[in-house]
Amino acid sequence: AQTVTQSQPEMSVQEAETVTLSCTYDTSESDYYLFWYKQPPSRQMILVIRQEAYKQQNATENRFSVNFQKAAKSFSLKISDSQLGDAAMYFCAYRRAPGGGSYIPTFGRGTSLIVHP
Amino acid sequence: DAGITQSPRHKVTETGTPVTLRCHQTENHRYMYWYRQDPGHGLRLIHYSYGVKDTDKGEVSDGYSVSRSKTEDFLLTLESATSSQTSVYFCATAGTGDYQPQHFGDGTRLSIL
Repeated sequence: AQTVTQSQPEMSVQEAETVTLSCTYDTSESDYYLFWYKQPPSRQMILVIRQEAYKQQNATENRFSVNFQKAAKSFSLKISDSQLGDAAMYFCAYRRAPGGGSYIPTFGRGTSLIVHP
Repeated sequence: DAGITQSPRHKVTETGTPVTLRCHQTENHRYMYWYRQDPGHGLRLIHYSYGVKDTDKGEVSDGYSVSRSKTEDFLLTLESATSSQTSVYFCATAGTGDYQPQHFGDGTRLSIL
């Protein structure tokens, strides 16, 4: 079974600085998708960024980027120029590619990000 | 967004009563999921559906049942609510295309006294 591990229950960062949230996963599949979701205090789950395993290039969405290392099974999220609105719980998720059977993502337990003004 | 509506948004009930939570989607997504979220546990899958009348158990299905009679509706029932089922419940959907993330409802906060 796939597992997703977020080893940092809580992280903090100063406004305008950069922070990296770590995520590792365990799988025997070669094709899969990885996601980062943000959950602010409003409780909404918001997709931040996604990565296809067969793509070498790291995904980027504005101030959010990932460092995807397939061999190491690592998928970290970098937030640049942190803003107060980035304060949230962040979840890493894994999902097998279509045709691989399951459409059930596996989630990590989350990292709570605190942003200090 | 995927147009997911969960109802009710908040509910307080007593131990031993049945409770039904509803998830309604407008995007015609094939897959629907029910999760519970508790501090320190992240999101845990209760049940999921891969089509009308096609459902299966997740990792924490004991004490819960689901039904999906239409593509757009997925109901979660707590047959006899217990205090351990106090939680925030999320519904999610996903399409069948490549690269599809899940889309989430806004959650239901359920308190069982």
